[in-house]
Amino acid sequence: SAVISQKPSRDICQRGTSLTIQCQVDSQVTMMFWYRQQPGQSLTLIATANQGSEATYESGFVIDKFPISRPNLTFSTLTVSNMSPEDSSIYLCSVQPQGSREQFFGPGTRLTVL
Amino acid sequence: GENVEQHPSTLSVQEGDSAVIKCTYSDSASNYFPWYKQELGKGPQLIIDIRSNVGEKKDQRIAVTLNKTAKHFSLHITETQPEDSAVYFCAASSGSARQLTFGSGTQLTVLP
Repeated sequence: SAVISQKPSRDICQRGTSLTIQCQVDSQVTMMFWYRQQPGQSLTLIATANQGSEATYESGFVIDKFPISRPNLTFSTLTVSNMSPEDSSIYLCSVQPQGSREQFFGPGTRLTVL
Repeated sequence: GENVEQHPSTLSVQEGDSAVIKCTYSDSASNYFPWYKQELGKGPQLIIDIRSNVGEKKDQRIAVTLNKTAKHFSLHITETQPEDSAVYFCAASSGSARQLTFGSGTQLTVLP
């Protein structure tokens, strides 16, 4: 498995502002993903964070709203831009070690937008 | 794309009884099926998974079965304990797409 940390663990933000969430893993991994979990709901994939290139976004998610960086094989950031109350969710990063089908999740970032 | 349906949405059992959660998937190319347990305020934790070349897998009190023909898989928890109370998610992915598609989740409550 992999040990994954996320910062911040939670935040309360004002509408119209942006928040950058960091994801750090303790070993080099091939794949990193960002998910959103709205209150009481399941997990929805936002994008795959690609090392050294632009992220691959799922239908309904765009780079202008959720810019993602992945400068190396152990770190990624997700920015939630121009936030509205509808962005209030848990944001989770996950990693898939090379050669493995298993995917491990971080503890999540709980975002509340007022 | 893949669609995963999960039932039931809530499940209450008495301590010591068994619990079964069922999922169906739509994409016949899916070949990897993990189960996650999410406790309140935490991220999902991988508890067991199964690949399409296996019909059943067991790990202590937890087992998963897969029926490729019917495109459904199930999680079985025996001798349930209060600490098994959590939300459980099934998921599926195919060999060509590493992304996971999740079911809607089951809130399991084990009553002491």
